[in-house]
Amino acid sequence: EAGVTQFPSHSVIEKGQTVTLRCDPISGHDNLYWYRRVMGKEIKFLLHFVKESKQDESGMPNNRFLAERTGGTYSTLKVQPAELEDSGVYFCASSRGLAVETQYFGPGTRLLVL
Amino acid sequence: AQSVTQPDIHITVSEGASLELRCNYSYGATPYLFWYVQSPGQGLQLLLKYLSGDTLVQGIKGFEAEFKRSQSSFNLRKPSVHWSDAAEYFCAVGARTRDDKIIFGKGTRLHILP
Repeated sequence: EAGVTQFPSHSVIEKGQTVTLRCDPISGHDNLYWYRRVMGKEIKFLLHFVKESKQDESGMPNNRFLAERTGGTYSTLKVQPAELEDSGVYFCASSRGLAVETQYFGPGTRLLVL
Repeated sequence: AQSVTQPDIHITVSEGASLELRCNYSYGATPYLFWYVQSPGQGLQLLLKYLSGDTLVQGIKGFEAEFKRSQSSFNLRKPSVHWSDAAEYFCAVGARTRDDKIIFGKGTRLHILP
């Protein structure tokens, strides 16, 4: 069984540009989560999809961030326009059921905004 | 407020020595407890988790952790570290309700001396 995959692994962009991160969850997992780790800080929850619906987006920092999960499969997280403070590692996780103990994490996308 | 504290940002131990990484949490009730590891260039890997029952939990790679309710602690231990254990370790908690957020500590980076 393939794990959670994320693309790209690294992205370097300039302030004001747009970046789109992609997450492919484990096949059959209805729940998909985005987390972010800003340099020197803890990993923080951003949002949670159940299939294509946003279940909880309380962690999204501001309206420059847009997450989608069309068709309930892969998800994208777009940052537009990117700011310096958006630099960090963006993790995606997925789970079959609604339970924190079954979340499987991807390798993360390392975003650097210059 | 819910939080996880890992007091040691960096720890250095010699190969073959024992290891203990500290973790304390603040939570309204006994949460689920986790330790994750992130090796260089890799994603977050679950080392072990405490859900209920025996307070001494065995994990992968020879790690164990002990839940102490009275101290709100969940320290990670390994009797003899290997050079491949050099990584960053994250303690985390999750709710026993349908709230699916995982709350992470800031991480402890483990360095191994040959």
